[in-house]
Amino acid sequence: QKEVEQDPGPLSVPEGAIVSLNCTYSNSAFQYFMWYRQYSRKGPELLMYTYSSGNKEDGRFTAQVDKSSKYISLFIRDSQPSDSATYLCAMSAGNNDMRFGAGTRLTVKP
Amino acid sequence: ETGVTQSPTHLIKTRGQQVTLRCSSQSGHNTVSWYQQALGQGPQFIFQYYREEENGRGNFPPRFSGLQFPNYSSELNVNALELDDSALYLCASSLPGGTGELFFGEGSRLTVL
Repeated sequence: QKEVEQDPGPLSVPEGAIVSLNCTYSNSAFQYFMWYRQYSRKGPELLMYTYSSGNKEDGRFTAQVDKSSKYISLFIRDSQPSDSATYLCAMSAGNNDMRFGAGTRLTVKP
Repeated sequence: ETGVTQSPTHLIKTRGQQVTLRCSSQSGHNTVSWYQQALGQGPQFIFQYYREEENGRGNFPPRFSGLQFPNYSSELNVNALELDDSALYLCASSLPGGTGELFFGEGSRLTVL
């Protein structure tokens, strides 16, 4: 079992849809949870950062962390074609070794 | 504010050769991490440098080595290249503390033939 599991998709939705992306993990030491967006042939870009359990909202994006279930989610409201990218979940125990999921490839169709 | 820059962007090597990849960190960031991202996979931690010293290492063999310079720029060296080393190599800079807010460069895409 991988330390961080993420469904690779691909996921295709119509413009305006609500998108739900998820990751599960096995290491209970993880405290810092992040979502990165990676466009084709580009480096990952930090989207959301959450410490411990709870919700965080930033514009159309909401990140949720449930440490009791070892489950994190990213919701995208009113999805746009420009949201088409690969979304990577990442987590860290506070040391320098961040663990990434495999990434979910999202396509938002006009 | 200057972002993370990496060079070269693409390169092709043959098995057994050596390669050096370079990275300039974001302004004000004194910690640099290197990641390997194989096609269709998430980035995997190679190592991190802080104050010119290795500050943690992932599950990579010793033929992967690095340097950090006084200006916080960094190099990744890979010796005795293998076909499986073909990947996107990402450099990320951050502030010390390990909380995870990494700022990535565009990456160097290495192909080993």
